[in-house]
Amino acid sequence: DAKTTQPTSMDCAEGRAANLPCNHSTISGNEYVYWYRQIHSQGPQYIIHGLKNNETNEMASLIITEDRKSSTLILPHATLRDTAVYYCIVRVSTGTASKLTFGTGTRLQVTL
Amino acid sequence: GAVVSQHPSWVICKSGTSVKIECRSLDFQATTMFWYRQFPKQSLMLMATSNEGSKATYEQGVEKDKFLINHASLTLSTLTVTSAHPEDSSFYICSASQTKHLSWVFGPGTRLTVL
Repeated sequence: DAKTTQPTSMDCAEGRAANLPCNHSTISGNEYVYWYRQIHSQGPQYIIHGLKNNETNEMASLIITEDRKSSTLILPHATLRDTAVYYCIVRVSTGTASKLTFGTGTRLQVTL
Repeated sequence: GAVVSQHPSWVICKSGTSVKIECRSLDFQATTMFWYRQFPKQSLMLMATSNEGSKATYEQGVEKDKFLINHASLTLSTLTVTSAHPEDSSFYICSASQTKHLSWVFGPGTRLTVL
């Protein structure tokens, strides 16, 4: 699976959009971009995933560049409850029997 | 949505004893489950992949005789930490693959403290 690079930490004011970048320059054509987050002392929570088109759900939007070498997770109106570590993971998704490998992620701190 | 539960949520045990952690997929069947370990301020580290009805596949460096995994049904996998020592104290998290939605669902984690 392709490696990803994320900033170690970011701050965001409550109510503002949080834009979390992820570089995955070695991504292959059949690899998806997944985003999970982990709130302190909890299990990771699925946010969104995509292949090449931009995706949106009730939690966030995922913007993938045309060359697919990077992506941005957007939380449109961050709240204090969005404070967490956000993981960008790239992997093949023809099946889910294969493992999901976590990097170091981005620690997002939402402040008043 | 799909839910994975873990039991217990926390456990304290004495050094040398064994501890069993259960992972259940509540509303879907999971042929494959994963076990992770997370130390403070670190990321999740995959320990093993558990397949229903067959032996688990362990990651390099994980002792299979110390961390026993059983996946006897499509909704239950167990991790037994045998002869636990203080260095085994960690946050253990399981995950189940959900083929229908091409995603993985994680349990809430079990915090193990070995005295």
